[in-house]
Amino acid sequence: GAGVSQSPRYKVAKRGQDVALRCDPISGHVSLFWYQQALGQGPEFLTYFQNEAQLDKSGLPSDRFFAERPEGSVSTLKIQRTQQEDSAVYLCASSPERTQPQHFGDGTRLSIL
Amino acid sequence: GQNIDQPTEMTATEGAIVQINCTYQTSGFNGLFWYQQHAGEAPTFLSYNVLDGLEEKGRFSSFLSRSKGYSYLLLKELQMKDSASYLCAVRDPRGRGATNKLIFGTGTLLAVQP
Repeated sequence: GAGVSQSPRYKVAKRGQDVALRCDPISGHVSLFWYQQALGQGPEFLTYFQNEAQLDKSGLPSDRFFAERPEGSVSTLKIQRTQQEDSAVYLCASSPERTQPQHFGDGTRLSIL
Repeated sequence: GQNIDQPTEMTATEGAIVQINCTYQTSGFNGLFWYQQHAGEAPTFLSYNVLDGLEEKGRFSSFLSRSKGYSYLLLKELQMKDSASYLCAVRDPRGRGATNKLIFGTGTLLAVQP
């Protein structure tokens, strides 16, 4: 596609529910990043994929967060047993390779009630 | 540690010039990026500096001094549509797989007034 596509744009869930957020990167982009952006803050790194390999997951805040990219294109970020502090915008970014500028999607705004 | 500082808010007048400063102290450095983010939208890439000096791109210019840990974004001929948050980000080459993840500042909210 023309840009990075994320779905859903908005997600409301009750505390304790599991959620799955989808990212469709720009076609052919090898590198894929997930970031979390709290209100009024800059994005914070969560995890990085090179093709289907998850090379860095040092930013995932807990073992409730899980990400995958099984075929090296679409990626899914899953949050289990959601908590209120998980409320944020989750941004996905892709680049042709890791040293190129990252192109961001519009994000998924997650609200946990 | 990782620390990136930029002013929280700035106000400027349409047609004027504004300079947004960013200072950084990071354990690794492999370039500095500026992104523009309108409310509810994706950050959009504006500029990239890896060597010292000025990079010019139309109405936008960005400067880097690695020895001082300092960068600025210069916006000329301001337009109302330039009202947005401007994010300074340092690329960190460290980490497993040499991730080159971006470490962002909190962003500078720029309001352009008529």
